[in-house]
Amino acid sequence: SAVISQKPSRDICQRGTSLTIQCQVDSQVTMMFWYRQQPGQSLTLIATANQGSEATYESGFVIDKFPISRPNLTFSTLTVSNMSPEDSSIYLCSVGTAKTNTGELFFGEGSRLTVL
Amino acid sequence: DAKTTQPNSMESNEEEPVHLPCNHSTISGTDYIHWYRQLPSQGPEYVIHGLTSNVNNRMASLAIAEDRKSSTLILHRATLRDAAVYYCILRSGGSNYKLTFGKGTLLTVNP
Repeated sequence: SAVISQKPSRDICQRGTSLTIQCQVDSQVTMMFWYRQQPGQSLTLIATANQGSEATYESGFVIDKFPISRPNLTFSTLTVSNMSPEDSSIYLCSVGTAKTNTGELFFGEGSRLTVL
Repeated sequence: DAKTTQPNSMESNEEEPVHLPCNHSTISGTDYIHWYRQLPSQGPEYVIHGLTSNVNNRMASLAIAEDRKSSTLILHRATLRDAAVYYCILRSGGSNYKLTFGKGTLLTVNP
């Protein structure tokens, strides 16, 4: 299994500011993903964080709004830029490793952002 | 991604079995059927997955229809801790582990 630590666990932000969320894994992982979960909704995939190259974004998400870094196999950051109240969500880091034969993903506890 | 259809909610009593259905009529031959659950205020956690045959693990059993167009997650004895949203997800075979979540089924367990 993989243990994921996300920081911050929660934050209250002002409109127009940016916040960077960190995801630290206790072991090297093949895949890292960022999801968003809006209040009362299911999870929506934002992007795949690629080590050493630009992230791969899903439809409806762009790099200018959600820049992502992944400098190594255990760490990634997601920045939510120029925030508005509509960005109030839980942001979750998810990882997968080829070491398991189940194809399962492990999820962090999430970072709950409230934008005022 | 192939879509899945689940009931919005289900209710069960503690210590009774629970059968959570999922329809996936457009499943392709290489799609794996994955189940995750999300407990309140937590990230999702893996429950079980299968391809063609029924599967059992310490958490649950997965019964897959012969035509693979539907599946059922079985919790043999529900506990209060099993109250969660259960997601049935189809994942393409290969090295892409990306998951697309639907709305899931909210399971309520009554004491």
